[in-house]
Amino acid sequence: QVQLVQSGAEVKKPGASVRVSCKAAGYTFNSYGITWVRQAPGQGLEWVGWISVYDGETKYAQKVQGRVTITTDIPTTTAYMELRSLTSDDTAVYYCARADYGDPGDAFDIWGQGTLVTVSS
Amino acid sequence: QSVLTQPPSASGTPGQRVTISCSGSTSNIGDNDINWYQQIPGTAPKLLIYRINQRPSGVPDRFSGSKSGTSASLAISGLQSEDEAVYYCAAWDDNLDGRVLFGGGTKLTVL
Repeated sequence: QVQLVQSGAEVKKPGASVRVSCKAAGYTFNSYGITWVRQAPGQGLEWVGWISVYDGETKYAQKVQGRVTITTDIPTTTAYMELRSLTSDDTAVYYCARADYGDPGDAFDIWGQGTLVTVSS
Repeated sequence: QSVLTQPPSASGTPGQRVTISCSGSTSNIGDNDINWYQQIPGTAPKLLIYRINQRPSGVPDRFSGSKSGTSASLAISGLQSEDEAVYYCAAWDDNLDGRVLFGGGTKLTVL
C-alpha cells in the first residue's frame, strides 16, 4: 500500500528547531519527490518546499528560505523537514506529500497524515 | 491574501451542478498546469484533479476541471452530501525563483 507516515506532534519554544519525518512505503522512493505543505489553524494550505529524492534538488518557499532544510534518507525511505528559529507564526499542521521527481509544480498525489507543530512559550 | 483567488464559499443542493473558480495570472495559471485538492475538515488534502482536467484513479467523473487563460474552474455535477469539503486550486508560479501557490480555498456546503 502506497503511503506516507509522519512523526508525531511537537511542542517547541520560540527560537527552537523542529524536525518532522515522513516515511514512505509501497513505491520506489527515489523515483519521486517529496513536498511539504503546512496549514495554520483555521487557515488554508501553504507550500513550504520540495525535494527531488532522485537527485537531491531542492526548492523552498521564500517565506521560510534560510530557516528550512528538506532532506531524504534513501535507505530508510524517509524524508525530513527541519525548520529553525521557530516563531508562533510557524504553528501549523505540516504535511508531506509525494511529488514529481523533477517538476516541483506537478500534482501531489499521496499525502501523509499531518504533524501538528505548536510553537509556544 | 492568496495570489490565486477563489470564492470563500459555494453551495448547492443534492443533484445540482456547482462550479468553483480560481483566478491567477500569466506567471501561474496562464503558463502552468493547475491541480485541485479536496480537504474534508480534520483530514489531509486529497488530489482531485491534476494537469487541468485529469482525474486520479478512484475520483468519480462527476468532478471535472478546465482552464481558460489565467483562470481555472472545478465543476462538480450530481452534487452529493459527501462532497461537502474545502476545495483548493494550486499551480506553479514562475516568480520569485519558482514556487507552488495555493488558492485560499472554497468551502462547499451541500444544503
